[in-house]
Amino acid sequence: NAGVMQNPRHLVRRRGQEARLRCSPMKGHSHVYWYRQLPEEGLKFMVYLQKENIIDESGMPKERFSAEFPKEGPSILRIQQVVRGDSAAYFCASSPQGKGETQYFGPGTRLLVL
Amino acid sequence: GENVEQHPSTLSVQEGDSAVIKCTYSDSASNYFPWYKQELGKGPQLIIDIRSNVGEKKDQRIAVTLNKTAKHFSLHITETQPEDSAVYFCAVRGTGTASKLTFGTGTRLQVTL
Repeated sequence: NAGVMQNPRHLVRRRGQEARLRCSPMKGHSHVYWYRQLPEEGLKFMVYLQKENIIDESGMPKERFSAEFPKEGPSILRIQQVVRGDSAAYFCASSPQGKGETQYFGPGTRLLVL
Repeated sequence: GENVEQHPSTLSVQEGDSAVIKCTYSDSASNYFPWYKQELGKGPQLIIDIRSNVGEKKDQRIAVTLNKTAKHFSLHITETQPEDSAVYFCAVRGTGTASKLTFGTGTRLQVTL
C-alpha cells in the first residue's frame, strides 16, 4: 500500500524558470494539501484541494504560484518565474476526506533556485 | 489566525530518559492536535494525535496530554532510544471551513548514548 508519492525529490531551477512539483495521494484519498518548509522552520500551509476543486488557497502567494488536482493524474504545484526565496522543501499531504481526517505526508520536493 | 508556539527548540537527553515537548495554541475552538516526527531528508511522519474530547492518549512509549482550558498540549516520550533522535512538530487544526494544519516551529531531539 504505497504512501503519498512526490516527484521529483530534488529540483534545481535558475531564476526566472518554472518549477512543477507533482503529488500522488495515497490510494483512496481524494484530498490533497501542500505545505512549504523553509530551512530550520516549521511547515506553512499553502493550499488545500479536492479533485478538480481548490478548497482553500489562503496560504498561497497571489502571484506566480498555482495548484491543481485534476480528475485524472497527480496534483501539481506550479511556480512560475522562480526566485531565490522560493528555495524550500515542498510537502504534499493527503487524507481520505477533508475536515476531521488525519493528513499523511509525502517525502517532499526540495527546490533549489540558483 | 491560529498561532502555535513550541518549546524547547532543542532537547538533549540520555538514552533511557524521558523527553517532554510542549505546545501552546491561541484558538480555543481548535479540536485536533497531531504530532509529527521528521527525520533528516524525509517528510513528517504522524506519531500520535489527540482530539479535543479526550485529555490523554498513549501509544507504547509515546503519550500526548491536552489541557484545553490552558490551551496547551504536550508530547511525552519515555525510555528514549537513539532512533528517537529527530525533529518533532506539533500541529493544530481549527474548526473553520478548511482542514489546514498550523505547525509549531519544531523541537530537535537528540538522544545520546
